Amino acid sequence: AQKITQTQPGMFVQEKEAVTLDCTYDTSDPSYGLFWYKQPSSGEMIFLIYQGSYDQQNATEGRYSLNFQKARKSANLVISASQLGDSAMYFCAMTGGNTGGFKTIFGAGTRLFVKA
Amino acid sequence: ETGVTQTPRHLVMGMTNKKSLKCEQHLGHNAMYWYKQSAKKPLELMFVYSLEERVENNSVPSRFSPECPNSSHLFLHLHTLQPEDSALYLCASSAASGQYNSPLHFGNGTRLTVT
Repeated sequence: AQKITQTQPGMFVQEKEAVTLDCTYDTSDPSYGLFWYKQPSSGEMIFLIYQGSYDQQNATEGRYSLNFQKARKSANLVISASQLGDSAMYFCAMTGGNTGGFKTIFGAGTRLFVKA
Repeated sequence: ETGVTQTPRHLVMGMTNKKSLKCEQHLGHNAMYWYKQSAKKPLELMFVYSLEERVENNSVPSRFSPECPNSSHLFLHLHTLQPEDSALYLCASSAASGQYNSPLHFGNGTRLTVT
């Protein structure tokens, strides 16, 4: 069975510093996609970054980068130069190829607090 | 309008009421989804529609009934709900049907309270 684990219920970071949010996953499928989403207090889930299982390089999108370690089955999100607006819930997610690409599972989430 | 729009944003209903949640996507996507987000629980996939055909029904009670009349619209019909059904209901869409590299685009959600 596929599983996503986020072990950090909450994290604090000082404004302008970098922070790493942990995510480990479990799947027997060789083809899968890993995603990070941000959920502000307004409720909307916002797609941040994607990493494919066959991608050789770590994904980057602006201040977001994904530290993909396939052998360890980890996909940590790194946010550089944190801003107050980064305070939100962050969810790691995975879509497996053997489920037809329809079933995305989510971790429990990490609440990030950015301090001024 | 752009993106994924959900209405209403908030809904309070009694256990004997019948109501519907509406979702509309303006992204030209082929797949649409309903997720349930309860406090202290991971997001739960409820239903998936691909090209207007239901492809996933994740053991959801029959008091939740989805409808997808076309690729841009998705409804969730509710009847005789229970208090434990109170949650944030999120609609999402994705560009490609059955592609594991296609991210989800979510609406703002409907906050449902069952009294």
